Amino acid sequence: NAGVTQTPKFQVLKTGQSMTLQCAQDMNHEYMSWYRQDPGMGLRLIHYSVGAGITDQGEVPNGYNVSRSTTEDFPLRLLSAAPSQTSVYFCASSYSRTSGSSYNEQFFGPGTRLTVL
Amino acid sequence: RKEVEQDPGPFNVPEGATVAFNCTYSNSASQSFFWYRQDCRKEPKLLMSVYSSGNEDGRFTAQLNRASQYISLLIRDSKLSDSATYLCVVNTGRRALTFGSGTRLQVQP
Repeated sequence: NAGVTQTPKFQVLKTGQSMTLQCAQDMNHEYMSWYRQDPGMGLRLIHYSVGAGITDQGEVPNGYNVSRSTTEDFPLRLLSAAPSQTSVYFCASSYSRTSGSSYNEQFFGPGTRLTVL
Repeated sequence: RKEVEQDPGPFNVPEGATVAFNCTYSNSASQSFFWYRQDCRKEPKLLMSVYSSGNEDGRFTAQLNRASQYISLLIRDSKLSDSATYLCVVNTGRRALTFGSGTRLQVQP
């Protein structure tokens, strides 16, 4: 199994450009999520999905869109990049789709390092 | 106030030392707790879950104190390879995990 894969690894954008960060998992996980990580801030949830066709907003959703047409893929779209979106983006997937589960280890992809000029 | 708070460190300890990290959480309804490890410029990986009765995994011991709303991680006999950032993670009952900003550990020879 490849686990969780993300592309690209690095990306530089100009303000106003749009792009899609790709995320795929081959573990048949129902739950997938996108986080951003900034220095001193920890990981903050952007959007998540509990299954194909179902998405919801996390803590910091503004400026990002997601879709989940298949179990495997969960792309993150930046609509109009801004310097404040410079960050490291992690995609994660999990066995569990229920918040009450005591075991919902998240498996992370290697991350995409995005710089917006 | 952050939902999950950690001392950012760094904790600089010699090989073989015992080191402990604490983490506090604000939501008393939090249901499950974890420690993740993150190496420099890498993705986080689960180190261990934290159970109410406390649990041990080799040199690592995790404790949960629900009354005081804190979680601890104890590392015994530190190795150079333990150098990393340790993330305290809490499931508050929403469909997501809340991550602390991490505590950096540097084990020195």
